[in-house]
Amino acid sequence: GAVVSQHPSWVICKSGTSVKIECRSLDFQATTMFWYRQFPKQSLMLMATSNEGSKATYEQGVEKDKFLINHASLTLSTLTVTSAHPEDSSFYICSARDRGAGANYGYTFGSGTRLTVV
Amino acid sequence: GNSVTQMEGPVTLSEEAFLTINCTYTATGYPSLFWYVQYPGEGLQLLLKATKADDKGSNKGFEATYRKETTSFHLEKGSVQVSDSAVYFCALGPRSNTGKLIFGQGTTLQVKP
Repeated sequence: GAVVSQHPSWVICKSGTSVKIECRSLDFQATTMFWYRQFPKQSLMLMATSNEGSKATYEQGVEKDKFLINHASLTLSTLTVTSAHPEDSSFYICSARDRGAGANYGYTFGSGTRLTVV
Repeated sequence: GNSVTQMEGPVTLSEEAFLTINCTYTATGYPSLFWYVQYPGEGLQLLLKATKADDKGSNKGFEATYRKETTSFHLEKGSVQVSDSAVYFCALGPRSNTGKLIFGQGTTLQVKP
C-alpha cells in the first residue's frame, strides 16, 4: 500500500534555530501534500496544503514566513520551522494523496515529528 | 462550512465489550467519510472509509455505515481488545482529488483487561 515517510521522528532544537521536516511518498506520486499540527490530546489542525511546483496554501492564522513549505517534486515536501520558539513545540504530521487515485482516493499519513524547542 | 463532531472521550471499556463512537457531520455535496486511528506517538492510520451513502466500511472488526439521512458515520466494534486502545478520528473529505480532510476532535479509547 501507499507509504509516506516522515523524518525526523523527533527533534530537539534551541530557540532561534530552524528545523526542517521531510515528508516523502515512497511508492506513489503525490501532487498534493498536507501539513498538520497536533497539540497534546487534541485533534489535527491543518496548517497548509502543499502543491507540487507551486506555492503552498496556508490556513488562516498560520504564518507562512514562519512555516516554510516546499514541494519541489512529486514525492517530497518539506516544512521548515524558522526561528523556532518554545511555543512551536508540537507534533507535526504530513499527509499525501496518491496522484493516480481515482474516486477511491486515499490520504496516507506520515508517522509524525515531535518537535521540542528549548 | 463542513464540520465533523465526535462524541467526547475518553471512552473506557473492558475487554470484549461492545464499542460505539458517535460521529456526525455537516457538509455540502456528497463527501467521503473516514475513520483514522492514532496510537501513542504515531501518525494516523486509515481504519476504514465509505465514499457514498449507505456504504459500510469495515476493517479489523470495526464497522461504520455512511448514513446520509442522519448525517452520521458511527464507529462500532463488537468485541474490543486491549490493543484497540488509541485515539480515533472521524474525518470528512471531498470527492474531488484536491480537497482536504476535515477532522473531528478525536475520541480516546482505553480498553482494560
